[in-house]
Amino acid sequence: EVRLEESGGALLQPGESVRLSCSASGFNFGDHLMHWVRQLPERGLEWVSGISWNGLKKEYLESVKGRFTISRDNAKNVFYLEMTDLRVEDTATYFCVKPLGIMGGAYEHWGQGTLLIVS
Amino acid sequence: DLQLTQSPSFLSASVGDRVTMTCRASQLTKSYGGRFQHVAWYQQMSGEAPKLLIFATSSLPSGVPSRFSGGGSGTEFTLTINGLQPEDSATYFCQVVNNYPHKFGPGTRLEIK
Repeated sequence: EVRLEESGGALLQPGESVRLSCSASGFNFGDHLMHWVRQLPERGLEWVSGISWNGLKKEYLESVKGRFTISRDNAKNVFYLEMTDLRVEDTATYFCVKPLGIMGGAYEHWGQGTLLIVS
Repeated sequence: DLQLTQSPSFLSASVGDRVTMTCRASQLTKSYGGRFQHVAWYQQMSGEAPKLLIFATSSLPSGVPSRFSGGGSGTEFTLTINGLQPEDSATYFCQVVNNYPHKFGPGTRLEIK
């Protein structure tokens, strides 16, 4: 059974930093591209960042470029979202997501989310 | 930048009804492989993570009831639920994933009367 578990959410002030983690199990994590997605307080969904299976290719939402860094540790089946210079508008529930295919596609599995509040 | 709109934003229907909701893309885009966009649909119940309902416009993942169906092409896509059930009360989001940034629609909230 595929399991994704996020951690690291917190209540922080603008300008602070935090690292979110996503622990994965139940599939060959090292073969898969992975994503972070957030759900804003008004309940809209927003893709944030994606990382290739080997960590060499990283993509970011324009509004987080230069502030957020995605990374992964395939030996530990974990990937991360390092978030710096946080803004009030980063307040959201952050989900880690596994796509259908190893190269991407629709989001087949979601974690339960971790809440980040910047206030 | 691609934008997705969904209509209606709110839908109220009764058990057993057939409902259709629409997702429209602001433009036609191709993936890096040259294929035109497909959409995915997600169901999100209150307090839960979204759940994949439809991928590649019309394919159902294992375990999704056959009363859900997806269609469309180009810039207009639909999600239809035949024979509404009480547990279908949720918000439904469409998504395009063929290019970055992946985009979601704003959602259609479905209420079962």
